Amino acid sequence: DAKTTQPPSMDCAEGRAANLPCNHSTISGNEYVYWYRQIHSQGPQYIIHGLKNNETNEMASLIITEDRKSSTLILPHATLRDTAVYYCIVRSASGTYKYIFGTGTRLKVLA
Amino acid sequence: DGGITQSPKYLFRKEGQNVTLSCEQNLNHDAMYWYRQDPGQGLRLIYYSQIVNDFQKGDIAEGYSVSREKKESFPLTVTSAQKNPTAFYLCASSTSRGQRLETQYFGPGTRLLVL
Repeated sequence: DAKTTQPPSMDCAEGRAANLPCNHSTISGNEYVYWYRQIHSQGPQYIIHGLKNNETNEMASLIITEDRKSSTLILPHATLRDTAVYYCIVRSASGTYKYIFGTGTRLKVLA
Repeated sequence: DGGITQSPKYLFRKEGQNVTLSCEQNLNHDAMYWYRQDPGQGLRLIYYSQIVNDFQKGDIAEGYSVSREKKESFPLTVTSAQKNPTAFYLCASSTSRGQRLETQYFGPGTRLLVL
């Protein structure tokens, strides 16, 4: 599974869009991009995943660049409850069962 | 409500003691996993099980043991051989069974502290 690089921390004003970047320059053709978040002292929560097309669900949107070397998770209207550590993970359908969580981006939503 | 439950939320272990962490799911998932998380770090896989009565070691299995006698349950025992057990333990499950690209869903975690 390819490795990912994320900024260690970001701030976002409440009500504004939070755009969290992830670099996965070594991603291969059959690898998916997954996003999870972890609120302090809780288990990680699944947000969204995608292969090459942009994806949207009730929680967020995922924008993957055409070359697939990077992606952005967008929380359209951030609230204080979105303060968490956000993890970008790359996984292959033929890879191992484990998720490789890095250190993620600590997003702080400011009132 | 469907989901994954872990108990207890906090667990204290004395030196030389074995302790067991509970993980139960009612999602009808085939696969279950145990991860360990240390402060400021990502998750590391301890054990996983794709089907009842079968399980495999992850990256840091030493000092841990598991069983999978029922589809719904995957308890983790932290043995006295685990010299640094203080951590946040997370259980997850997924619809696996041949589908390697599956989404894992996590429980709320158990924080283990050594007295």
